[in-house]
Amino acid sequence: EAGVAQSPRYKIIEKRQSVAFWCNPISGHATLYWYQQILGQGPKLLIQFQNNGVVDDSQLPKDRFSAERLKGVDSTLKIQPAKLEDSAVYLCASSKKGDSPLHFGNGTRLTVT
Amino acid sequence: GQQLNQSPQSMFIQEGEDVSMNCTSSSIFNTWLWYKQEPGEGPVLLIALYKAGELTSNGRLTAQFGITRKDSFLNISASIPSDVGIYFCLPSGTYKYIFGTGTRLKVLA
Repeated sequence: EAGVAQSPRYKIIEKRQSVAFWCNPISGHATLYWYQQILGQGPKLLIQFQNNGVVDDSQLPKDRFSAERLKGVDSTLKIQPAKLEDSAVYLCASSKKGDSPLHFGNGTRLTVT
Repeated sequence: GQQLNQSPQSMFIQEGEDVSMNCTSSSIFNTWLWYKQEPGEGPVLLIALYKAGELTSNGRLTAQFGITRKDSFLNISASIPSDVGIYFCLPSGTYKYIFGTGTRLKVLA
């Protein structure tokens, strides 16, 4: 089966600019996750969707980050405006249901200058 | 909040040696997953554990779900250079997964 697809692979922007990341989960996977991984750290959950509804967004900085999963399939994560500390790898993962193993994409590496 | 401790933080070992790492928590979990992450890639699932006391192997890897449901260990036998990477435990309770801090493994040939 095809894995989790993410794009772009790399993105360099200046602070205060906007950026969007896209994720297409494995077909049939109801649960979709966005993680932020700062260099040298473990991934931190930003938001979890179950179909097109939000299950957990408690660690999403809502003043600048937004995410949507229209039609319960692919998802976009947006940062507006970006800050230097947003430099990180943004990982998308999906699972069949909430307690199934997660399958990760290769991430988008964001550099904010 | 839930606390999750993964140790060791890093390991430098000789090729052929066995490796052991573990995760402990003050909370009870229903599932323990172990992942490996290589540079520039997303984490890849190694082993999934669903029952307290469960011992599961995947090639040279063996993992166990602690009987108290608060811990898990991962062993790698006869390490090889391609075992290099960061290993994460990812336990789940009530559909919420929490990443461990990772064990960075380096294998010296």
